[in-house]
Amino acid sequence: QVHLVESGGGVVQPGGSLRLSCEASGFTFSFYAIHWVRQAPGQGLEWVAFIRSDGTDEYYADSVRGRFTISRDNSKNTLYLQMTSLRTEDTAVYFCAKVPRVYRGYDWFHHWGQGTLVTVSS
Amino acid sequence: ATQLTQSPSSLSASVGDGVTITCRASQDISSALAWYQQIPGTLPNLLIYEASSLESGVPSRFSGSGSGTDFTLTISSLQPEDFATYYCQQFKTFPITFGQGTRLEIK
Repeated sequence: QVHLVESGGGVVQPGGSLRLSCEASGFTFSFYAIHWVRQAPGQGLEWVAFIRSDGTDEYYADSVRGRFTISRDNSKNTLYLQMTSLRTEDTAVYFCAKVPRVYRGYDWFHHWGQGTLVTVSS
Repeated sequence: ATQLTQSPSSLSASVGDGVTITCRASQDISSALAWYQQIPGTLPNLLIYEASSLESGVPSRFSGSGSGTDFTLTISSLQPEDFATYYCQQFKTFPITFGQGTRLEIK
């Protein structure tokens, strides 16, 4: 059974940094691309970042490019999101989401973690 | 970036009604579209992938159609648990994008 468990959220001041983690189990982590998706309070879904299964390729939303870095450690079955220069508009629940097909980047999201809340506030 | 525009933004209907939600893409995305349902406080739940394929375990009253730029999600006979927000998502190109959501409320 697929499990994705995010951690690392919390309250941070504008301009601060935070690193989120997503620990995966129940599948061969190194075969699948994983994405970060966020949802601001009361708002819709916003795709944030993607990393290929082997970590060789990354894409970012314009709103976070240059400030956020996605990475993964396949030996630890863990995905990361390093967030710097945080802004109040980055306040959201951050989800990691797994695609259904091996080695695919462009795909729908078949499994979601429970999310971790990031609050950027002074 | 491929923009997705859902209509309507909100919708009121009664149990037993049939409803249709539309998602229009700003460029051709072939069949690279998914639909999700989200009940407040819960995770997005995959309903439809590749425009018209029903996800395992999703009731058959949900159906999707379309290709290119115009897509629809149809719920044939609303049940109480269907009142939620629905999102479309394209996965043809990066950045992956979502529609703004359609809130389905009980009349």
